[in-house]
Amino acid sequence: ETGVTQSPTHLIKTRGQQVTLRCSSQSGHNTVSWYQQALGQGPQFIFQYYREEENGRGNFPPRFSGLQFPNYSSELNVNALELDDSALYLCASSPGTGDYGYTFGSGTRLTVV
Amino acid sequence: QQQVKQSPQSLIVQKGGISIINCAYENTAFDYFPWYQQFPGKGPALLIAIRPDVSEKKEGRFTISFNKSAKQFSLHIMDSQPGDSATYFCAAETSGTYKYIFGTGTRLKVLA
Repeated sequence: ETGVTQSPTHLIKTRGQQVTLRCSSQSGHNTVSWYQQALGQGPQFIFQYYREEENGRGNFPPRFSGLQFPNYSSELNVNALELDDSALYLCASSPGTGDYGYTFGSGTRLTVV
Repeated sequence: QQQVKQSPQSLIVQKGGISIINCAYENTAFDYFPWYQQFPGKGPALLIAIRPDVSEKKEGRFTISFNKSAKQFSLHIMDSQPGDSATYFCAAETSGTYKYIFGTGTRLKVLA
């Protein structure tokens, strides 16, 4: 299987709820990062996982958390949703070495109402 | 110091023309500069990337020009086509971290 797949593609949640977004990384990629892309903005780094360990975090509060599984798939969890959490959430994977760059998924569009 | 400033915000070019998008950075630890192309409803896709040890890199119609002393880099799209209409993001990374700092994006429209 090639490419990065994310699910669901769209999601509507109510303020205060919790959400889990899922990502299957590209085959052979052991590094997964999550980005938040607000409308009309560039992606903002949330955190990165390398071999199931968090390997860096951007300027996001602790209610944003994640997991990486032995098969390198990943989850992003957001607790106590706020209206400003409405965004496109992108998962990106990399083989972790060399100048391959990230391969991004198509994202999950989260709307908080 | 972690910002990457991108301009213009939007760009309209005639078919066959040259599209130029500029980015500037402050953090001298950045040493990998990719450009991503994003179509509506899709994730960003890597277009071309450069390291500061070269001043220019060309792949097909896409060229990155890099000015290390000015801490600026730009994307040139030659012979622009309507299919190039998309949003383009520059990014910067300190090698090996895979933590990209993205610019704010340039929405390119190529008129047929």
